[in-house]
Amino acid sequence: GAVVSQHPSRVICKSGTSVKIECRSLDFQATTMFWYRQFPKQSLMLMATSNEGSKATYEQGVEKDKFLINHASLTLSTLTVTSAHPEDSSFYICSAPGQGHTGELFFGEGSRLTVL
Amino acid sequence: SQQGEEDPQALSIQEGENATMNCSYKTSINNLQWYRQNSGRGLVHLILIRSNEREKHSGRLRVTLDTSKKSSSLLITASRAADTASYFCATDDSGGYNKLIFGAGTRLAVHP
Repeated sequence: GAVVSQHPSRVICKSGTSVKIECRSLDFQATTMFWYRQFPKQSLMLMATSNEGSKATYEQGVEKDKFLINHASLTLSTLTVTSAHPEDSSFYICSAPGQGHTGELFFGEGSRLTVL
Repeated sequence: SQQGEEDPQALSIQEGENATMNCSYKTSINNLQWYRQNSGRGLVHLILIRSNEREKHSGRLRVTLDTSKKSSSLLITASRAADTASYFCATDDSGGYNKLIFGAGTRLAVHP
């Protein structure tokens, strides 16, 4: 099956710094990737759709200057949380559709961000 | 934004019992999917049911879909302690390829 790798799994940073999270499709190409945010014991909230070679599409209410998304290759999308603040602390998960248009998404293991 | 609600929010059962989780959604859909999430981990796809299907089975899983009521249910039969996880339904609302909107989830605890 398709494998999505996400790194780092945990990151702690100081308020005001920027943090980059990587999402890689290991054995398939992904022209589209999705970034979700999840608060404790809550559902996944779609933040943005990452498109290879073009700008990301952000969901309503998500600050594009705060959450920078780059999809520079067919196997890598990055999410950069800029000037992080404690309220940005959360679990960030990426996903990608597998090849074959089955409809299912393959998820990374998630990245837990803690901003002090 | 979330597509709909799931109930119950939490479910606690004994091993061997069946677990039923329900999901409601708001818009028309192409398909509805169920995912499982172990604590602090990513999501794993369980089963997909298309809008023109009413029931689907996969091992101990049984999913039903009622598009007239905009609802779905996931039944796990003969539950095991290893089934302990959160379960989410997700809908593809036809608005974008593979753009899934997730429900609130049900936290299932299966006790030995």
